[in-house]
Amino acid sequence: KNEVEQSPQNLTAQEGEFITINCSYSVGISALHWLQQHPGGGIVSLFMLSSGKKKHGRLIATINIQEKHSSLHITASHPRDSAVYICAVRFGNEKLTFGTGTRLTIIP
Amino acid sequence: DSGVTQTPKHLITATGQRVTLRCSPRSGDLSVYWYQQSLDQGLQFLIQYYNGEERAKGNILERFSAQQFPDLHSELNLSSLELGDSALYFCASSVGGMNEQYFGPGTRLTVT
Repeated sequence: KNEVEQSPQNLTAQEGEFITINCSYSVGISALHWLQQHPGGGIVSLFMLSSGKKKHGRLIATINIQEKHSSLHITASHPRDSAVYICAVRFGNEKLTFGTGTRLTIIP
Repeated sequence: DSGVTQTPKHLITATGQRVTLRCSPRSGDLSVYWYQQSLDQGLQFLIQYYNGEERAKGNILERFSAQQFPDLHSELNLSSLELGDSALYFCASSVGGMNEQYFGPGTRLTVT
């Protein structure tokens, strides 16, 4: 069964801390997406990657194909980073399968 | 702003009714995807269209149907609504089936 697991489910940190959110999947994939869902409900696509590492501002996403694992890192976290972060993978075809999300709260 | 628009933003209706949700993709995007996000199920893929043709189907109920029109906008029709259909419905678009997807703001459906 094609599965996606995220950890932790909830994460609370102080402003300025380095944040890591993890995503593991069961079988080989063609691509992995990291999404951010704001408290108001809107979803923003942060990264799409199939190998290596991508960086955008304070956000870094890495993927290890052999270990079937991806991480999303946030450096110098800020209260505005508070959101739900969702990992979604494409198992070969074009359909996305979603993780359950990580609720991140950054305290000032 | 992703460039994907969805209407309406909110919809409140009664059980047994039928509603239509509308999505306009980003300019140039040929693929449209529909997703449902409920409190107990999380985000689930419903259906994908590419340039007017159905491309992939997910956990879409028989009471639900969708189509993509020649101008590439898409509609999701939900009929015989049940309380459990209350959810956020997102539309996303991409250039092709394997590209990054851009999400619309969602339609919040409440069935009473």
